[in-house]
Amino acid sequence: SSELTQDPAVSVALGQTVTITCRGDSLRRYSASWYQQKPGQAPVLVIYAKGNRPSGIPDRFSGSSSGNTASLTITGAQAEDEADYYCNSRDNSGNLWVFGGGTKLTVL
Amino acid sequence: QVQLVESGGGVVQPGRSLRLSCAASGFTFSSYTLHWVRQAPGKGLEWVAFISYDASDKYYADSVKGRFTISRDNSKRTLFLQMNSLRAEDTAVYYCARDARPLDSSGYYAYWGQGTLVTVSS
Repeated sequence: SSELTQDPAVSVALGQTVTITCRGDSLRRYSASWYQQKPGQAPVLVIYAKGNRPSGIPDRFSGSSSGNTASLTITGAQAEDEADYYCNSRDNSGNLWVFGGGTKLTVL
Repeated sequence: QVQLVESGGGVVQPGRSLRLSCAASGFTFSSYTLHWVRQAPGKGLEWVAFISYDASDKYYADSVKGRFTISRDNSKRTLFLQMNSLRAEDTAVYYCARDARPLDSSGYYAYWGQGTLVTVSS
């Protein structure tokens, strides 16, 4: 299997832009998806398939990818965006999936 | 609306077995691939297992391979996870999750259940 690496914690001032990154060899071949999880709640899909947003996800959330790195960008972060964010993708075999360790986003 | 409701969690001794269920509604169950994902207390998400829409393909994380079995009953719209030889490190909230698109094994978990807690302890 392969690993996906995320920074454990990131902070952003209210209304500013923040990018959360996810690195792994498998990202050169497979797209990442991103999940937001608030305390005591199930995760929510926010970005999938090279930048697609599910219905109901604000357009301040966007995704991109380059080489072995996938990125989640929040443009104009809001207080309600404070949460844990996880990336996910297939591993190098293509038959298994793996999550990144998660990034705790604090909105100041 | 899409609903996934897990059940079957509880406290179990190490080495024993437990069977989780995930009852689905609000979509064509037999057209979607499904996954189990778990989260140990205070820890991150861990993918556990995958089953294709017709149960022809099943994959497992190395940490559970040979001990856990994923299955589904499309006639009853229910997903299962049979967990054998349980260990303390299997303690977690177990979520079932549905793929975003029909007949697609992309692994984009568009819908999640609320989770069921499994505690392995003597």
